[in-house]
Amino acid sequence: DGGITQSPKYLFRKEGQNVTLSCEQNLNHDAMYWYRQDPGQGLRLIYYSQIVNDFQKGDIAEGYSVSREKKESFPLTVTSAQKNPTAFYLCASTLGTGGQPQHFGDGTRLSIL
Amino acid sequence: GESVGLHLPTLSVQEGDNSIINCAYSNSASDYFIWYKQESGKGPQFIIDIRSNMDKRQGQRVTVLLNKTVKHLSLQIAATQPGDSAVYFCAGFLNGGYNKLIFGAGTRLAVHP
Repeated sequence: DGGITQSPKYLFRKEGQNVTLSCEQNLNHDAMYWYRQDPGQGLRLIYYSQIVNDFQKGDIAEGYSVSREKKESFPLTVTSAQKNPTAFYLCASTLGTGGQPQHFGDGTRLSIL
Repeated sequence: GESVGLHLPTLSVQEGDNSIINCAYSNSASDYFIWYKQESGKGPQFIIDIRSNMDKRQGQRVTVLLNKTVKHLSLQIAATQPGDSAVYFCAGFLNGGYNKLIFGAGTRLAVHP
């Protein structure tokens, strides 16, 4: 079955440590997105990529970095510069870039040790 | 600024009743809206979408209404079931661009037997 796979489901970060969240899709979708969700709130856009080797900052990109070396993969690194990283991170993808529904993975919950 | 927001954080209904979840958006132009359902610990699941050239769109047990005059949309769920219990988000592409999907804060639907 086609879909979006996020791993790990739970992740713990120590102070000063960078961690990388994985997002893989086999939907052959062009665009991929990373969102952050805090308790009781909607989703906020961190980064997005419309094509391989290209990505743009969203609303809350500070303290995060991404890469898009392959169409099916869009990993997110939460750096030590992100002072409040505890959140639920969601990856999404969409076919094309002209107004299509975004399809989501089941998220990674990041906590601080 | 641009925004998409829901009217009520929590909605409680009896099993078998119809549910109506409301959402308003800002003055920014938009031509595409999406409703998502999010169950605990999972990513948002696409329910139904609507474009601005339509006032109403129906799916299986769900109907979305769009009132562009008052910048309001609603999700109606017929014969609400316990499996419908979740957080529901409306989201819109504002300002005519398809890179940035703006999410409301969500309404938690609780279905009681």
